[in-house]
Amino acid sequence: GESVGLHLPTLSVQEGDNSIINCAYSNSASDYFIWYKQESGKGPQFIIDIRSNMDKRQGQRVTVLLNKTVKHLSLQIAATQPGDSAVYFCAENLGAGNMLTFGGGTRLMVKP
Amino acid sequence: EPEVTQTPSHQVTQMGQEVILRCVPISNHLYFYWYRQILGQKVEFLVSFYNNEISEKSEIFDDQFSVERPDGSNFTLKIRSTKLEDSAMYFCASSYRGNQPQHFGDGTRLSIL
Repeated sequence: GESVGLHLPTLSVQEGDNSIINCAYSNSASDYFIWYKQESGKGPQFIIDIRSNMDKRQGQRVTVLLNKTVKHLSLQIAATQPGDSAVYFCAENLGAGNMLTFGGGTRLMVKP
Repeated sequence: EPEVTQTPSHQVTQMGQEVILRCVPISNHLYFYWYRQILGQKVEFLVSFYNNEISEKSEIFDDQFSVERPDGSNFTLKIRSTKLEDSAMYFCASSYRGNQPQHFGDGTRLSIL
């Protein structure tokens, strides 16, 4: 079946650097994508979303890029801070019931 | 900021027993969801619920599972006869509209002995 996947299981960056987390999706009919952050012992926390009629969306220190041609999604975090250390998931929304399909997650580690 | 709350945070149950996991979604949200995450694996969709009925369910959500919104604030997931493989974190989520961000609670860790 089709699924959302991540290229890198672990990303280690220096505090203050920019981080880029990537996600590949295979279902071209998906029309809505969300990035979540999950800290240890907590539920997924919404970061930013993007719809398929857009290719870029910016939030506070975060930017999501969507490339529908190659079915690729990325999350950019500017000036990464220790508090950004967590597992990051991309998720796609395809079904009429708004089922989210999650990727496997990337662990971001920020070195002070 | 409004949040989704889940109780209990940890539930330990004997195999074969019934368990009910409880959730209070964000108050003005209309769509409700359950997901689960087995240790070390992806978050998996179980079921979505809108207007007092199931909108969509995954193949995980078999006859042993049921959901209910017994009043205006609670949303529950019941597993009738638990199996060892039901051990996981169970997350409740809600959204105001269907194709909008789903906000998650911090989960219930279900341990089946």
